[in-house]
Amino acid sequence: AQSVTQLDSQVPVFEEAPVELRCNYSSSVSVYLFWYVQYPNQGLQLLLKYLSGSTLVKGINGFEAEFNKSQTSFHLRKPSVHISDTAEYFCAVSPNNNDMRFGAGTRLTVKP
Amino acid sequence: ETGVTQSPTHLIKTRGQQVTLRCSSQSGHNTVSWYQQALGQGPQFIFQYYREEENGRGNFPPRFSGLQFPNYSSELNVNALELDDSALYLCASSLGTGRYEQYFGPGTRLTVT
Repeated sequence: AQSVTQLDSQVPVFEEAPVELRCNYSSSVSVYLFWYVQYPNQGLQLLLKYLSGSTLVKGINGFEAEFNKSQTSFHLRKPSVHISDTAEYFCAVSPNNNDMRFGAGTRLTVKP
Repeated sequence: ETGVTQSPTHLIKTRGQQVTLRCSSQSGHNTVSWYQQALGQGPQFIFQYYREEENGRGNFPPRFSGLQFPNYSSELNVNALELDDSALYLCASSLGTGRYEQYFGPGTRLTVT
């Protein structure tokens, strides 16, 4: 079975500072990896995904993530955050994109 | 292009009752997945429907059931509601199974009292 651990439940950061949201996963098979963002009272929006190929994945809104197979990690990064990036971020893993397993989420708060 | 829509947006039910939640998939999408998101937690996979057939199920009891219609819209039915069923229920549609991106609706907030 697959599982996801998001290492930080809350990450406060000042505007224009860099941020990293950490995600580790466990799986005995090859998986697809995803990061989603959820704004208050909304559904989830896909930021980026790793299916295969290059381990550095670029997504929307200036986010990127790096797949590290040896460390079973898929950390999300942004070099300079904005107030509008304040939201809940979820890392997810799936062996085939139907049984998708989500982490508990990281609350990113960007302060002025 | 219309995105994924869900109805109703909010619902209050009493323990023991039954509820039906509805989801309209994005145009051209033949796959619908349902998730339960309890307060402060990540979404949990309930089940997926592909071309009107169940295509995978998470660790939920049989009182959680679903249906997908020929137009690929879907319903989630929950019988004998329990207090722990209170959650945001998310529907996601995709072009197919496998590596296709899932597009999420805004969710239905179910409160069981």
